[in-house]
Amino acid sequence: EAGVAQSPRYKIIEKRQSVAFWCNPISGHATLYWYQQILGQGPKLLIQFQNNGVVDDSQLPKDRFSAERLKGVDSTLKIQPAKLEDSAVYLCASSLGLGLAGGVNEQFFGPGTRLTVL
Amino acid sequence: GQQLNQSPQSMFIQEGEDVSMNCTSSSIFNTWLWYKQDPGEGPVLLIALYKAGELTSNGRLTAQFGITRKDSFLNISASIPSDVGIYFCARGGDRDDKIIFGKGTRLHILP
Repeated sequence: EAGVAQSPRYKIIEKRQSVAFWCNPISGHATLYWYQQILGQGPKLLIQFQNNGVVDDSQLPKDRFSAERLKGVDSTLKIQPAKLEDSAVYLCASSLGLGLAGGVNEQFFGPGTRLTVL
Repeated sequence: GQQLNQSPQSMFIQEGEDVSMNCTSSSIFNTWLWYKQDPGEGPVLLIALYKAGELTSNGRLTAQFGITRKDSFLNISASIPSDVGIYFCARGGDRDDKIIFGKGTRLHILP
């Protein structure tokens, strides 16, 4: 079974430039998550989609970050304009769905995109 | 907000040694999760704990959900080179699916 796919794997940009990341979740997974992982920290949730609707974007810096999942499958995360502090690994994860009974709705992570802002 | 404190931050051990790491929280959790992240990869779920006092094993890994519901530990027995990586505890699951990660414990194994 294919896992969560992300591209690109690495990106280097200068501050004030724009960048976009792409994620294709595991087939059939309704919920998609974008996390930011700064060096030396654990992943921090930026935005959570259920199908093509946003469930939680409370931690997304909306002045510069945007994300969409128009057809409820793959998703893009955009930063415009980028700042130095946006240097991090951006992880995408997917899970079967919200609120399933009987335990954790396991999230499966992709390999991430490592962004360096110079 | 909810804070998770993981310790130690890093460990250097010899191959074959046992490892113990723990996680504490200022808040009561309903679910504790332990993840491992290999270099250049995303985290992978190792163990999920749902009840206070629960002790769960996954091969050489054993984790426990503390009685107070504010702490958890992860033990690795007889470490091998592929155990190298970052281990994260997380508050997780519940109905809103939000996972909040700790800062991680970096495990290094000396040859």
